[in-house]
Amino acid sequence: GAVVSQHPSRVICKSGTSVKIECRSLDFQATTMFWYRQFPKKSLMLMATSNEGSKATYEQGVEKDKFLINHASLTLSTLTVTSAHPEDSSFYICSALTSGTYSNQPQHFGDGTRLSIL
Amino acid sequence: SQKIEQNSEALNIQEGKTATLTCNYTNYSPAYLQWYRQDPGRGPVFLLLIRENEKEKRKERLKVTFDTTLKQSLFHITASQPADSATYLCALVGVDSSYKLIFGSGTRLLVRP
Repeated sequence: GAVVSQHPSRVICKSGTSVKIECRSLDFQATTMFWYRQFPKKSLMLMATSNEGSKATYEQGVEKDKFLINHASLTLSTLTVTSAHPEDSSFYICSALTSGTYSNQPQHFGDGTRLSIL
Repeated sequence: SQKIEQNSEALNIQEGKTATLTCNYTNYSPAYLQWYRQDPGRGPVFLLLIRENEKEKRKERLKVTFDTTLKQSLFHITASQPADSATYLCALVGVDSSYKLIFGSGTRLLVRP
């Protein structure tokens, strides 16, 4: 149980393109989802917290107009990297919390999206 | 600022031995601590959670300790196997952080057959 699917797994596109990444909870409802960014051999850096039906909360230093997050349903959150540039190339990972749980529950992660901007 | 440190050097051990990984934190009072496993090109997978009032937690070959005085957690894998080779991440959440996790950079474990 608690499977999170992330799509696509890899994207290669030209500079200036906008890229949408989907994060779906397959067998549970997720009121809260998180978006992380990870550089090679580095830690996961939280970008934003996404709550169903409300605006995402972005971490300090993360441009909300650059990284658009939508959490329109209890099973889907999307991250759109707008007008992507080579410096946006990274490994993006989403995670989800099951609804109605306490704050000490584990996060369930997708398998990440490798974004490469040429 | 809050800081979490894990040994950046890979831990290389022989199959069958016990692997011990360390997670230290400063300027922080986490309500609980979690350990995750991450394989290359994959998302992290949850392994164990330990609360601040627990000293030790076990799950099969895994054991986690949590010393709030030393501000340290140790993660042990007994009877290690080559399949245990991966990067292990510790993650902390504060009492007031409301679900948000702060991750360490992880320690890579290599188990030689």
